[in-house]
Amino acid sequence: EDQVTQSPEALRLQEGESSSLNCSYTVSGLRGLFWYRQDPGKGPEFLFTLYSAGEEKEKERLKATLTKKESFLHITAPKPEDSATYLCAVLGNYGQNFVFGPGTRLSVLP
Amino acid sequence: DTAVSQTPKYLVTQMGNDKSIKCEQNLGHDTMYWYKQDSKKFLKIMFSYNNKELIINETVPNRFSPKSPDKAHLNLHINSLELGDSAVYFCASSLEWGFNSPLHFGNGTRLTVT
Repeated sequence: EDQVTQSPEALRLQEGESSSLNCSYTVSGLRGLFWYRQDPGKGPEFLFTLYSAGEEKEKERLKATLTKKESFLHITAPKPEDSATYLCAVLGNYGQNFVFGPGTRLSVLP
Repeated sequence: DTAVSQTPKYLVTQMGNDKSIKCEQNLGHDTMYWYKQDSKKFLKIMFSYNNKELIINETVPNRFSPKSPDKAHLNLHINSLELGDSAVYFCASSLEWGFNSPLHFGNGTRLTVT
């Protein structure tokens, strides 16, 4: 069974203080790993898809990386508007649906 | 232009009632989904439709019945609501079934059963 865990559960950063969020996964053949951002009262918003180990994607202050067992979302010099819950999901070769992790709730203080 | 829209945003009802949630996407996607997000924020698949045909039906009570009148719409009808049905329900769509295309979500319907 495909599984996803995320750590930490919650993270508080000062503005400008860089950090990383972790997504660990177990899947029978990875078709894709997806990062989403979810703001309170909103649906998850797609950020990145990673397909194979060693791949990296960047968008503004966010950079996602992938290994065979985990993915990291690096946040460089975060701003208060980066505060949100970040969700990771995997799509395996043999599963039919996306499996989501519980998310990391990020708070960036001014 | 809202890509995936669902109504209502909030739904408060009593146990035993029947209610519906509507979803529409204007992205031209082939596949639509219903997800449930519980109080611990886990997103779990409930149903998936591809070109109006049901392709995923997870272990969901048969009080929940999806209906897809066309490729752009996927509605969720819930009979005999129970307290445990309280959650946020998200509709989503993706370009094609079986490919790596990401999900696009609506903004959710918060269902509260009293």
